[in-house]
This record gives sequence, structure tokens and C-alpha cells, in this order.
Amino acid sequence: GAGVSQSPRYKVAKRGQDVALRCDPISGHVSLFWYQQALGQGPEFLTYFQNEAQLDKSGLPSDRFFAERPEGSVSTLKIQRTQQEDSAVYLCASSPRDSSYEQYFGPGTRLTVT
Amino acid sequence: AQKITQTQPGMFVQEKEAVTLDCTYDTSDQSYGLFWYKQPSSGEMIFLIYQGSYDEQNATEGRYSLNFQKARKSANLVISASQLGDSAMYFCAMRADNYGQNFVFGPGTRLSVLP
Repeated sequence: GAGVSQSPRYKVAKRGQDVALRCDPISGHVSLFWYQQALGQGPEFLTYFQNEAQLDKSGLPSDRFFAERPEGSVSTLKIQRTQQEDSAVYLCASSPRDSSYEQYFGPGTRLTVT
Repeated sequence: AQKITQTQPGMFVQEKEAVTLDCTYDTSDQSYGLFWYKQPSSGEMIFLIYQGSYDEQNATEGRYSLNFQKARKSANLVISASQLGDSAMYFCAMRADNYGQNFVFGPGTRLSVLP
């Protein structure tokens, strides 16, 4: 079956632009996670959804970051007024249950802010 | 707070030999899970193996085994019979039941398998 997909795979933005990153989780998966992975580092948690409810956004680095999952499936991570420090790979993962150790990751979106 | 430490930024291993990638963790939670993921240059995180904190036996998945030493808070990954395709970044991660749903990842170890 289809895995987690993310689009675009690569995004170049000029500083100050807004960007939107999309995640299509595995069909039927309840939980969805966003992570930020800086170059040469491990992924860091940004936010978590259970269906359409955003239950944890403690990892979002600033109020320029916003995530939504309005219908409990596709999710969008939006970054407003991008800064150079936002350059990273943004990973999306989904999980079949609300309390599950299984997380299936997408290929990521590499964001470069110039 | 939870923390994962991987002290080996890079490792080399000869093809067909075994290699151990180190991982130590810190948590005050009694119930937690430990994971290893492989990240090749394509970027996708590939799940390798899982160990629950209450599992008495070390987890094994094919050529991968997890050397779990709970008292030392250590969860080392052992890859047997290394293959060229094993060259990648390897991340140790933890999820503790009382700290929400997210994973905490270590900084990773880059493994290079030599022919």
C-alpha cells in the first residue's frame, strides 16, 4: 500500500516568504506528527495531531509556524515570514492508533531559505 | 526530561563483519519504548527494531538485534554481517508514555560499510 507522502520534496524560499508543506499520511492513520531535522542532526518534534485535533504543539519554534489537519487526513505545515534558521528537512510521520509505538515516516521536504 | 545520547558520530565497518552502534537514554518514566531508525541518503526514516521497557528479552529483527541493558539505560544496535547497503545514518529514539506521543531522537551515527 501507499506510504506517507510529502510535497514538495524540495522548496527554496526567499527570506520573508510564506511556505506551505503538505503531508499525506497512510490512509486511516489516526495520528500524525511533524518533525524538523536540521542538517547533521536528529529529527526534533514539532507537533502532533490525533485525527483533526492538534493535541501537542509544544515543539513549534515560534508563532510563525502553524499546522493544521482540518479533516483528519492531509496535514499542512505553514511557515510564515521564513528565516534562514528555518532551513531544514521537515518530516511527517503517521501512526495507526492514538497510542502507538509505530510511526511511519515520509521522505521529507527539504526547505532552503535564501 | 528525556534525552538520547549517541556518542559515535561516525563508524566504519568492513563488509560482512558485525558492528555495534551505541545508544544511551535518560528518562524517569518506567514505561517507554526504544527504537532504531535507518536514514539513507534518500532521507526517509526506515524503522529497524523496537524494544519495550518491560520486555525481558532483547529484540531481534533479521540481522538487527538490540542489546538492551535497562540498569545502564543502554540500547545498543548490533548489525551482523554488514552489507554495503547498510551505509546510512542510524538514529536511536525513545518514546516515554508519560511524555506525550512524540519521539525523542539522538543525534545519529553515520555508518560506512567498506568493501
